[in-house]
Amino acid sequence: DAMVIQNPRYQVTQFGKPVTLSCSQTLNHNVMYWYQQKSSQAPKLLFHYYDKDFNNEADTPDNFQSRRPNTSFCFLDIRSPGLGDAAMYLCATSTTGTSGYEQYFGPGTRLTVT
Amino acid sequence: GQNIDQPTEMTATEGAIVQINCTYQTSGFNGLFWYQQHAGEAPTFLSYNVLDGLEEKGRFSSFLSRSKGYSYLLLKELQMKDSASYLCAVSPSNDYKLSFGAGTTVTVRA
Repeated sequence: DAMVIQNPRYQVTQFGKPVTLSCSQTLNHNVMYWYQQKSSQAPKLLFHYYDKDFNNEADTPDNFQSRRPNTSFCFLDIRSPGLGDAAMYLCATSTTGTSGYEQYFGPGTRLTVT
Repeated sequence: GQNIDQPTEMTATEGAIVQINCTYQTSGFNGLFWYQQHAGEAPTFLSYNVLDGLEEKGRFSSFLSRSKGYSYLLLKELQMKDSASYLCAVSPSNDYKLSFGAGTTVTVRA
């Protein structure tokens, strides 16, 4: 089945220790998104890739970076995690057709910062 | 910016009906989505409305009024497994990104 996969599902890191979250997709969608979601809040878009073009949201901290080496894979790098970065990180994909842009989500990675 | 409002919490009894409202103010409109999100899991797609009216899909229905900037998700014959957060998301025109509401947590009680 076509899907969006995120690894790991749970990640524990130490304050200030760099961490990388990964996402892969078999849907062949050209857009990939990274969201941060804290408890009882809406998913907050950090950035997205339209093909190889990186698009950062204006309020995304510089501490967050992303890489997309090919269509299938996308990585979220947190250079120096703080306690406030503990959250669920969701990867999603979509196409850019004309009939709405349904996003397909991965299962998420729950990040704990100690 | 985009503004999407939905109630924070709703509680209903098993077998009952619950209606979750969503109002939006966005820069243009290219469709409205409803997602279901169980605790600790990713959102899953429920429905998509781009034209006014009611879309029915089994126990779930979604309604849209573009002139009023309003949608609702109707959950019928509630089951315990329907306890989840329900996210309203709007696709503004000329933008493939989605703007999400904060979600409505529905608790189904026996």
